[in-house]
Amino acid sequence: GDSVTQMEGPVTLSEEAFLTINCTYTATGYPSLFWYVQYPGEGLQLLLKATKADDKGSNKGFEATYRKETTSFHLEKGSVQVSDSAVYFCALSLGSGTYKYIFGTGTRLKVLA
Amino acid sequence: GAGVSQSPRYKVAKRGQDVALRCDPISGHVSLFWYQQALGQGPEFLTYFQNEAQLDKSGLPSDRFFAERPEGSVSTLKIQRTQQEDSAVYLCASSFVAGGDTDTQYFGPGTRLTVL
Repeated sequence: GDSVTQMEGPVTLSEEAFLTINCTYTATGYPSLFWYVQYPGEGLQLLLKATKADDKGSNKGFEATYRKETTSFHLEKGSVQVSDSAVYFCALSLGSGTYKYIFGTGTRLKVLA
Repeated sequence: GAGVSQSPRYKVAKRGQDVALRCDPISGHVSLFWYQQALGQGPEFLTYFQNEAQLDKSGLPSDRFFAERPEGSVSTLKIQRTQQEDSAVYLCASSFVAGGDTDTQYFGPGTRLTVL
């Protein structure tokens, strides 16, 4: 069935370090892909999205590229800040028939000053 | 309001009680979704509405779970005879339309349900 697999956390980095959070997916058809972020005590917020192969989503210094050949959508940021500490969720939407999102289990990021 | 709102934010119920969780979507959003998020897990789909029509309820875990959106705006998720395994955060999300390039779901803050 359709699914999303994320690297397990927690991920602990020093400020200004490079971040990669891996996400791979299994899906029939051509899903849209999303990264959501959940800051402590807050709800899920859309971070970025990509709707077709080779699209790059970007926001707030974060980037992810939709790679159909490797079924991946890895999240990257060149220089993390303490304020990036949060839980990051990768998700897919099949976009037809059923419009539900399928989420990964989330990766907790902790950035130390 | 500008975003999706949910009430109550926290609910404690004794096992066997019925609960009702409310969701106010973003004004004008056609699609509305309910998800269940267990501790340390990602959200899992429960049900989907397009306007007042419930088009997908495949994720509802049992017939104790019931959702409605009678006027195509506010939605209520009802859980009858709550069990301890129902303890979770219940998230509501809305989108302008479902599918296509505008398919972005906006999430509310969630209702944390604790069943004792």
